[in-house]
Amino acid sequence: QKEVEQDPGPLSVPEGAIVSLNCTYSNSAFQYFMWYRQYSRKGPELLMYTYSSGNKEDGRFTAQVDKSSKYISLFIRDSQPSDSATYLCAMDRGSNYQLIWGAGTKLIIKP
Amino acid sequence: DADVTQTPRNRITKTGKRIMLECSQTKGHDRMYWYRQDPGLGLRLIYYSFDVKDINKGEISDGYSVSRQAQAKFSLSLESAIPNQTALYFCATSDPTGDYGYTFGSGTRLTIV
Repeated sequence: QKEVEQDPGPLSVPEGAIVSLNCTYSNSAFQYFMWYRQYSRKGPELLMYTYSSGNKEDGRFTAQVDKSSKYISLFIRDSQPSDSATYLCAMDRGSNYQLIWGAGTKLIIKP
Repeated sequence: DADVTQTPRNRITKTGKRIMLECSQTKGHDRMYWYRQDPGLGLRLIYYSFDVKDINKGEISDGYSVSRQAQAKFSLSLESAIPNQTALYFCATSDPTGDYGYTFGSGTRLTIV
């Protein structure tokens, strides 16, 4: 079993919808949780990161961590076609060098 | 110029050939990484380096070697390429005193035939 599980999609939604992307994990030692966005033919770029449990909001994006359920989510409000990309979750015990990555979910926002 | 530059962007080579992928960065970060990305498997760490004199194996280092020529340069070599090394390769940098913002290059698409 992988340490981090992420549905590969693709997830296709109409423009303006609320999108929910999720990852589950098995290692309770993870403390830092990140979401990266990757456009086609580009490297991943950091969207948001959170430490431990709770919510974090940045514009249309909200990251949520539930350590008791070992479950993290990324919500995108008022989704736009420019949000179409692959979203990868990543997590770490605090070392900042051995990130464990989800496989990524491909998101398609239809105009 | 990009913060992290990888060359070449695309490469097709034959089984058994030696190939080098190069990475240079202008971020001033000490930490550099090489990852490969395969569909359905996510990013897997090949090698990482915390400074010029520090090289460490990652999750999947067999068949690969690296060289850290300077703080800004980190190259990955495939000594004798095999078809299952066909993948998208990324170089990344990070600042351990900052957030978890790894900066990635645009990747090298490597095909071994």
